[in-house]
Amino acid sequence: NAGVTQTPKFRVLKTGQSMTLLCAQDMNHEYMYWYRQDPGMGLRLIHYSVGEGTTAKGEVPDGYNVSRLKKQNFLLGLESAAPSQTSVYFCASRPGDRDTEAFFGQGTRLTVV
Amino acid sequence: KNEVEQSPQNLTAQEGEFITINCSYSVGISALHWLQQHPGGGIVSLFMLSSGKKKHGRLIATINIQEKHSSLHITASHPRDSAVYICAVARGSQGNLIFGKGTKLSVKP
Repeated sequence: NAGVTQTPKFRVLKTGQSMTLLCAQDMNHEYMYWYRQDPGMGLRLIHYSVGEGTTAKGEVPDGYNVSRLKKQNFLLGLESAAPSQTSVYFCASRPGDRDTEAFFGQGTRLTVV
Repeated sequence: KNEVEQSPQNLTAQEGEFITINCSYSVGISALHWLQQHPGGGIVSLFMLSSGKKKHGRLIATINIQEKHSSLHITASHPRDSAVYICAVARGSQGNLIFGKGTKLSVKP
């Protein structure tokens, strides 16, 4: 049982380049999330989805776009990467109830130079 | 002021010691989560609780809703317990999580 899988695990981008991070879950969860983790700060919510075809903005959405075309996949896109987007990105999923355990991916370490 | 505050930020213990990590929050919540993150690793859920106390092996989590406070205890600590422990609170109709900054625990043999 794979759980939540993120690809890639590491990436270096040049300023202005674009890329897509993929999150895949095999637990049939309704809710999916993208967070970023920066030194000295708690995880911050970028975007989230409460079901296939839905997305919503979180705390720090600027510079990112997302899509949830299939229930099992949640994509995070950076259209024009900036050094401020250097971070570790985590995907998470939860069943479709408010108070349920969250399952996290292993993280993607992104460096923008 | 952050909505979720953890203390201490860093903690060093000797193997076998009893460890307590604290989490205070300032907002109304529906549940509180404790998570563990090993160096360079992913994040694993340890507990989710909305009242009382939960125990799993050597780990115990408690919450006092009236005082807006939760504690994570580790009994008979071991070097493999070395990790960052993160408190997160769920709020809103969809239970989105708000995270503390984490407590870095190092257990020496």
